[in-house]
Amino acid sequence: KNEVEQSPQNLTAQEGEFITINCSYSVGISALHWLQQHPGGGIVSLFMLSSGKKKHGRLIATINIQEKHSSLHITASHPRDSAVYICAVSVPNQAGTALIFGKGTTLSVSS
Amino acid sequence: ETGVTQSPTHLIKTRGQQVTLRCSSQSGHNTVSWYQQALGQGPQFIFQYYREEENGRGNFPPRFSGLQFPNYSSELNVNALELDDSALYLCASRPPNTGELFFGEGSRLTVL
Repeated sequence: KNEVEQSPQNLTAQEGEFITINCSYSVGISALHWLQQHPGGGIVSLFMLSSGKKKHGRLIATINIQEKHSSLHITASHPRDSAVYICAVSVPNQAGTALIFGKGTTLSVSS
Repeated sequence: ETGVTQSPTHLIKTRGQQVTLRCSSQSGHNTVSWYQQALGQGPQFIFQYYREEENGRGNFPPRFSGLQFPNYSSELNVNALELDDSALYLCASRPPNTGELFFGEGSRLTVL
């Protein structure tokens, strides 16, 4: 079992729909990151969370530390939101900090 | 535009060769980390450097090594290339006192 699990693996939506992507982790973390990766490879950091909730435009990220769970929500989805969304956790270890990634959720929004 | 640049963007090598990938981070970003992303998979953490010292390493063999320079730019070196090393290699920089990551566009390595 992976230490970071995302669901769903693939998601198809119509423009305007409300999207939720989930991330569960099984290790102690210092922070959780939501990342967006477009075709071609470039990754953009959307949020870094250690507690509570953050909002940026149409994107909302929440984290529940006790339940080891985070969600990324996209309101009023748009075709330009089509991308791979990756959850990653910062894990302190003896050597410093390691980052463990989920496998990503591929989102496709059609107009 | 994250201000993090990687070079080369694409390269092809053969088994057994060595490769050096480079990453220039934003000014003042004193932490840099490297990741390997195989096709269709999430990134895997290789290692992290802070002020020229390695301070985090993932499950990669010693033939994966790195350097960080005084200007905080960084190199990833891979010796004795294997076919499975074919992947997108990403670097990310981080400014002091924050965990936010700024990723480069990646270097796509193909090993034949």
